[in-house]
Amino acid sequence: AQSVTQPDIHITVSEGASLELRCNYSYGATPYLFWYVQSPGQGLQLLLKYFSGDTLVQGIKGFEAEFKRSQSSFNLRKPSVHWSDAAEYFCAVGASGTYKYIFGTGTRLKVLA
Amino acid sequence: EAGVTQSPTHLIKTRGQQATLRCSPISGHTSVYWYQQALGLGLQFLLWYDEGEERNRGNFPPRFSGRQFPNYSSELNVNALELEDSALYLCASSLRDSYYEQYFGPGTRLTVT
Repeated sequence: AQSVTQPDIHITVSEGASLELRCNYSYGATPYLFWYVQSPGQGLQLLLKYFSGDTLVQGIKGFEAEFKRSQSSFNLRKPSVHWSDAAEYFCAVGASGTYKYIFGTGTRLKVLA
Repeated sequence: EAGVTQSPTHLIKTRGQQATLRCSPISGHTSVYWYQQALGLGLQFLLWYDEGEERNRGNFPPRFSGRQFPNYSSELNVNALELEDSALYLCASSLRDSYYEQYFGPGTRLTVT
């Protein structure tokens, strides 16, 4: 069955430090992969997506993610975190033709000044 | 360009009542999606409407229903409210045939007492 796992419920980093949020998926075919961010009281904003091609994907707000098929992972990274990055981050997986969009349970990021 | 809008922002109902939530998609978008974000359960897919037709629904009971109007706006109805229906309900929209390019609204917070 299709599933997405975000192993870290909470992560705390200092402003200026690097960030990596983990996402593992389970799916038989090549998945479509996404990262969304949700600020308090807001809806979800798409950060980046992977459909095919280059496995390193650049997104908005300085985020990037790397698709690693061998590890079934799609981890989100940012070299230097800003206080405004504090939010909840969701990884999602979909697949062509299935019209299923499965979200992970989210990772809440706290940024220390 | 205006984003996805939802109304009301907050809704308080008592158990057994009915709730109606509304969503207006981005101009030009014909598909509307509804999600439930309950505490501790992540985002769960509820319904997908396109061109006025229900295309798919998630694993929710029939008391969750909705419709899409000719102007592509949508309404989610929840009948016989239960305490566990308390959640943030998110609406998203996309262009037709762009299922994975969904843009989310800010949500309606439904509280059932």
